[in-house]
Amino acid sequence: AQTVTQSQPEMSVQEAETVTLSCTYDTSESDYYLFWYKQPPSRQMILVIRQEAYKQQNATENRFSVNFQKAAKSFSLKISDSQLGDAAMYFCAYRSALGRDDKIIFGKGTRLHILP
Amino acid sequence: GAGVSQTPSNKVTEKGKYVELRCDPISGHTALYWYRQSLGQGPEFLIYFQGTGAADDSGLPNDRFFAVRPEGSVSTLKIQRTERGDSAVYLCASSLSRGPYNEQFFGPGTRLTVL
Repeated sequence: AQTVTQSQPEMSVQEAETVTLSCTYDTSESDYYLFWYKQPPSRQMILVIRQEAYKQQNATENRFSVNFQKAAKSFSLKISDSQLGDAAMYFCAYRSALGRDDKIIFGKGTRLHILP
Repeated sequence: GAGVSQTPSNKVTEKGKYVELRCDPISGHTALYWYRQSLGQGPEFLIYFQGTGAADDSGLPNDRFFAVRPEGSVSTLKIQRTERGDSAVYLCASSLSRGPYNEQFFGPGTRLTVL
């Protein structure tokens, strides 16, 4: 079975600084997708960034980028120029690209605080 | 356009009661997913539908949980004989179709509290 591990329950960063959230995962599959989701107090999960395992190039979305290390099964999220609106829970997640298994597997999350 | 909506936003019930949680997906989305998020945890998969049929219900914890989607649009998650351990946020998501290349769009969830 696939697992996703986030070892940092909480992190803090000064506004305008850069922060990196860590994530490791375990799978025996060769084809899959990895995601970072943001969950503000409104509870609605928002997709931040997506990485396809077969693509070697790291995904970027404006101030958000990932460091995908497939051999190490590591998938960290870097947030540059942190803003107050970035404060939220961040979940790393896995989704198989094979067969009928279509669920998303989430880590336990990292709560990110932005210090003004 | 309208996103995924869930009703009620909050539900408080007593142990042993029956509850229904409703999910309205984005119009035209054929795939619909239910997840449960306990306090301090990430969401955990319960069940997903492709059209009217349940394609995978492997995440339902026991036979007290049941979900339907009779017309391939709105879905209802039903919990019988509720227990305190059922207290959680129940999230619904929909996507254009099944498959990892189709983004799942999440609703705001229903917070269920069982007293």
